[in-house]
Amino acid sequence: GEDVEQSLFLSVREGDSSVINCTYTDSSSTYLYWYKQEPGAGLQLLTYIFSNMDMKQDQRLTVLLNKKDKHLSLRIADTQTGDSAIYFCAEDWNTDKLIFGTGTRLQVFP
Amino acid sequence: DSGVTQTPKHLITATGQRVTLRCSPRSGDLSVYWYQQSLDQGLQFLIQYYNGEERAKGNILERFSAQQFPDLHSELNLSSLELGDSALYFCASRGENADTQYFGPGTRLTVL
Repeated sequence: GEDVEQSLFLSVREGDSSVINCTYTDSSSTYLYWYKQEPGAGLQLLTYIFSNMDMKQDQRLTVLLNKKDKHLSLRIADTQTGDSAIYFCAEDWNTDKLIFGTGTRLQVFP
Repeated sequence: DSGVTQTPKHLITATGQRVTLRCSPRSGDLSVYWYQQSLDQGLQFLIQYYNGEERAKGNILERFSAQQFPDLHSELNLSSLELGDSALYFCASRGENADTQYFGPGTRLTVL
């Protein structure tokens, strides 16, 4: 199947870390991605990881990949109100298309 | 700015009508993808074109069709529109050996 699963909501206090989780399906995915979508806006690529890596850090963002469990996570350090958005993970299915998760709505409160 | 452009930004039409959405990929990108984002179905892949040829097909309805022209721009045609076709339609492009697809800003279609 092509289901990529994410929890629907996450609420964190400003300054704390946020961890958004994703479970994907295709073990042959070459790349796994995290996109951010703000209200009424398009999809912004945040970061991505090559499937032979375990971890990738990019400023406040850390991506962890567990291939055995097909689990991907995105950690946002020092979360700010501007980080409030919907976050989508996506897997590269046979390099022909992206399969997106259901999206996690992150709410940051002061 | 991803370099992918989509027109129009917003489109409001009535049931039963036909519309055309347009996408211009990043310069030199041969692959164009179409995605639909709706409240019911989430973000789903519709169709991919590579250098003018259909390459992959997703959950695209028979009422929908697409094509990619020699200048590499693409059009998504939606016909016999239904209320449920109201959605945000994204186009993305990808270059040869590129790591990722680049998304356009989307076209918001409202069917009344």
